[in-house]
Amino acid sequence: GQQVMQIPQYQHVQEGEDFTTYCNSSTTLSNIQWYKQRPGGHPVFLIQLVKSGEVKKQKRLTFQFGEAKKNSSLHITATQTTDVGTYFCAEFAGNMLTFGGGTRLMVKP
Amino acid sequence: SQTIHQWPATLVQPVGSPLSLECTVEGTSNPNLYWYRQAAGRGLQLLFYSVGIGQISSEVPQNLSASRPQDRQFILSSKKLLLSDSGFYLCAWSLGLGNTEAFFGQGTRLTVV
Repeated sequence: GQQVMQIPQYQHVQEGEDFTTYCNSSTTLSNIQWYKQRPGGHPVFLIQLVKSGEVKKQKRLTFQFGEAKKNSSLHITATQTTDVGTYFCAEFAGNMLTFGGGTRLMVKP
Repeated sequence: SQTIHQWPATLVQPVGSPLSLECTVEGTSNPNLYWYRQAAGRGLQLLFYSVGIGQISSEVPQNLSASRPQDRQFILSSKKLLLSDSGFYLCAWSLGLGNTEAFFGQGTRLTVV
């Protein structure tokens, strides 16, 4: 399956700071989904982006899909301790759901 | 509403023993079903997926196998476990059409000793 690269692998932030994770692909993505996995838990779906240049917001979370549909980002404004976890991007194509490597977010109170 | 059940939650097995993990989905028909493995602190590796009864696609060659004997039942098996099979195994389902978000089970934490 297609590889989706995600950076950074880890990120420590102070509570109140912003956080961004990026996904990049060498080929055009059909769509991009984002999931959050709390420590010890299972991934939970956050959102799906399909259109070129699409931007969606969920409270302090902003999701973007690149114009060329080869990259995506998740930005969290003013992080809180409840944001701790690993954030994954994923592409659904050909009945396969392929995940990026994830970015583990740690928030210092 | 749809629910997904995965069991057991934790499992400790000796090297060379067999494995059977079961996943069932309720409240939907003909879902896509997936098995993923997650090593500690790592990403999600797709092991198998299925679009229908008896249809299994394998992504990673290994000593694991999967079966789908019923529409909403997905089983992950091994005849002889290796130490490297330790990890967090996650079952998931999606509709596969239009809104393709995946719903995950609670996972099975397998330790091979």
